Amino acid sequence: NAGVMQNPRHLVRRRGQEARLRCSPMKGHSHVYWYRQLPEEGLKFMVYLQKENIIDESGMPKERFSAEFPKEGPSILRIQQVVRGDSAAYFCASQNNRDRETQYFGPGTRLLVL
Amino acid sequence: SQQGEEDPQALSIQEGENATMNCSYKTSINNLQWYRQNSGRGLVHLILIRSNEREKHSGRLRVTLDTSKKSSSLLITASRAADTASYFCATDAAGANSKLTFGKGITLSVRP
Repeated sequence: NAGVMQNPRHLVRRRGQEARLRCSPMKGHSHVYWYRQLPEEGLKFMVYLQKENIIDESGMPKERFSAEFPKEGPSILRIQQVVRGDSAAYFCASQNNRDRETQYFGPGTRLLVL
Repeated sequence: SQQGEEDPQALSIQEGENATMNCSYKTSINNLQWYRQNSGRGLVHLILIRSNEREKHSGRLRVTLDTSKKSSSLLITASRAADTASYFCATDAAGANSKLTFGKGITLSVRP
């Protein structure tokens, strides 16, 4: 059973461009969480999604950031018009319905905005 | 200030010694979890302790939880150079959709 997959692992963007980060949860997992880690910091919750629904987006900036988890395909975190402050590691984690305690983390996408 | 604050911020020990890391939090929790992160890598789940548990063991790891003091400790016994990493505590707050709140982490260096 493959773990949580994220791609790309590294992404370089210039200011003003768009960044799309993908997360494929573990097989059978219908809950996805996105977290952001700034340098030398812990992870900060951004958004929690279930298939086709955003459940909690309280940690996500109101502008330029959006997330989706379609019925088919990976979850996408989209950052429009990136700024240098968006440079960070973005992690997703997935969960299944039977075990709502354990989150399985992907390897992360490291975004660098030039 | 944030939920899940660890101390010390950095810890340097000799191989074979024990490492103790502490975490404090502010709200009611369902559980508290410890993770390890090697430099530039993802998170590895180490151990989870529920709010109705006081102590848990897993291999060389021992975690305690004191809900009256809202604190937890992680003990790594007989440390190895491979234990060098950053360690984070994360809380699953009651009624919070299982989202985790992380501390800033503790950098552990184990000298061979």
